[in-house]
Amino acid sequence: SAVISQKPSRDICQRGTSLTIQCQVDSQVTMMFWYRQQPGQSLTLIATANQGSEATYESGFVIDKFPISRPNLTFSTLTVSNMSPEDSSIYLCSVAIHRATEAFFGQGTRLTVV
Amino acid sequence: DAKTTQPPSMDCAEGRAANLPCNHSTISGNEYVYWYRQIHSQGPQYIIHGLKNNETNEMASLIITEDRKSSTLILPHATLRDTAVYYCIVRVDNYGQNFVFGPGTRLSVLP
Repeated sequence: SAVISQKPSRDICQRGTSLTIQCQVDSQVTMMFWYRQQPGQSLTLIATANQGSEATYESGFVIDKFPISRPNLTFSTLTVSNMSPEDSSIYLCSVAIHRATEAFFGQGTRLTVV
Repeated sequence: DAKTTQPPSMDCAEGRAANLPCNHSTISGNEYVYWYRQIHSQGPQYIIHGLKNNETNEMASLIITEDRKSSTLILPHATLRDTAVYYCIVRVDNYGQNFVFGPGTRLSVLP
């Protein structure tokens, strides 16, 4: 398994500002993913964070709004840029480890934009 | 990946078995059935997965029908802490692939 630490766990931000969410894993992982969970909804994949290259974004998500970094095999960041109240969601980091098909999730970052 | 259908909500009495159904009638031969759950304000937690044989671990049992078009997750002795949203996901068993979450079943375990 993998232990995932997400920071911050929650934040309240002003519209128009940006927030960077960190995801730290206790071991090297093959894949890292970022999901969004809007209030009362299920999880939606934002992007796959690729180590050493640009992230792969899902339809409806763009790099300018959600820039992602992954400088090494244990760490990634997701930035929510130029926030609006519609960005109020839980953002979750997920990882896949070598030779394990199940994914592991962080506890999430609860973002409220006012 | 094949689509799954789950009831939106279920209730279960504490101490009784919780049986959560999932339909996946378009499942392909190389697709596995995964179950996750999400307790309020937490990230999803892996429960179990299987291909065609029934599976059991310390958390739950997974019963897959012979034609693989449906499955049931069984929590043998539900507790209040099992109250959560349960997600049934069908997916090819590739290392490093993301999961596609549907709306899931909201299980309420009642005292």
